[in-house]
Amino acid sequence: DQQVKQNSPSLSVQEGRISILNCDYTNSMFDYFLWYKKYPAEGPTFLISISSIKDKNEDGRFTVFLNKSAKHLSLHIVPSQPGDSAVYFCAASRINNNDMRFGAGTRLTVKP
Amino acid sequence: DGGITQSPKYLFRKEGQNVTLSCEQNLNHDAMYWYRQDPGQGLRLIYYSQIVNDFQKGDIAEGYSVSREKKESFPLTVTSAQKNPTAFYLCASRETARRLPQHFGDGTRLSIL
Repeated sequence: DQQVKQNSPSLSVQEGRISILNCDYTNSMFDYFLWYKKYPAEGPTFLISISSIKDKNEDGRFTVFLNKSAKHLSLHIVPSQPGDSAVYFCAASRINNNDMRFGAGTRLTVKP
Repeated sequence: DGGITQSPKYLFRKEGQNVTLSCEQNLNHDAMYWYRQDPGQGLRLIYYSQIVNDFQKGDIAEGYSVSREKKESFPLTVTSAQKNPTAFYLCASRETARRLPQHFGDGTRLSIL
């Protein structure tokens, strides 16, 4: 069962513009959400997270928005840079539980 | 430099053979995890361990086995019972099972000859 879905397998944006990556989840028990970035032949690297008590968390060029009623979160990258080109995974978890679920990933390409 | 080391980076297995993937961490983390990644799919949990000498099955444990004899080591054995072992395997750890985020190694790609 896919409890976390990233419906866009790929996204292409121009350097300097905004990248918006989307993620939907079905389990209302999830209370912590994470984004990971992955380059080919490497493991995912933690990027940013958000607790369900917040609706926004910002870290430099990266902002994650959480809409609990819609069970939707998004990652905004502004401005996008060519080095941001990677696969981005959304993950959802219950903080006191080992059950972390991952989306299938979105491949972001930032064109110079 | 603290981190998670997975070896080897590439591994080939013959039909009917067991192979063991290594995962070592020097982060002093209690909890360790094994995931499998297939093309177009999210990471799926194979096994996890919250503490030394204890481990639990994840969603897709069939055909795999693990051990956790030392805090820093969590090897994964892909047995001949695993009928579709070709995948990218990722090891991860957390400070404790309740502390996020978790951190990943660079993975091992297993292929069948």
